Amino acid sequence: AQSVTQLDSHVSVSEGTPVLLRCNYSSSYSPSLFWYVQHPNKGLQLLLKYTSAATLVKGINGFEAEFKKSETSFHLTKPSAHMSDAAEYFCVVSTGGFKTIFGAGTRLFVKA
Amino acid sequence: SQTIHQWPATLVQPVGSPLSLECTVEGTSNPNLYWYRQAAGRGLQLLFYSVGIGQISSEVPQNLSASRPQDRQFILSSKKLLLSDSGFYLCAWSVRGLAGVWQFFGPGTRLTVL
Repeated sequence: AQSVTQLDSHVSVSEGTPVLLRCNYSSSYSPSLFWYVQHPNKGLQLLLKYTSAATLVKGINGFEAEFKKSETSFHLTKPSAHMSDAAEYFCVVSTGGFKTIFGAGTRLFVKA
Repeated sequence: SQTIHQWPATLVQPVGSPLSLECTVEGTSNPNLYWYRQAAGRGLQLLFYSVGIGQISSEVPQNLSASRPQDRQFILSSKKLLLSDSGFYLCAWSVRGLAGVWQFFGPGTRLTVL
């Protein structure tokens, strides 16, 4: 069975400081993993995806994530937070079929 | 380029009234289509998905239904809305890639049932 766990429901950082959003997954075979961002009352936007190529994946808006098989993790990072990064972030694992499994989400707050 | 449309953007309906939300995709053929619901403070719940015209898979038993009358059109319906149907409804389409599925989401419909 596949599952995904986002370890923090809320993360608060100051503008200009690093961002770390944590995600662990469980999969019986090599997964595809994704991060999406959702701003209030908006749809979800794909930030980046891992599909068994390079383990360090670079996405939009300066975000990146590293796939670590030994730790079954796919944490999202950004060196310096911006106010516009305040949003909800979802870690997602693909089952390899037609469906994907979403984490519960992490809400990122950015303080001025 | 591909785009996905949802309407209406917001909707306020009384309990017991019918519902019809529409989603259309442009710029792609034979997409997989999905309906999700996002209740306040909760994650995304997959409601239905479709791999082709007339093919609907239901993930959660409820008073909602879905239909796909055309290749790029996906409709979410209800005959009688409940208070618990309130939420943010998202339509998505997917590309079946070499390894895994990634999805593109519409702007969503905010439904409030009073």
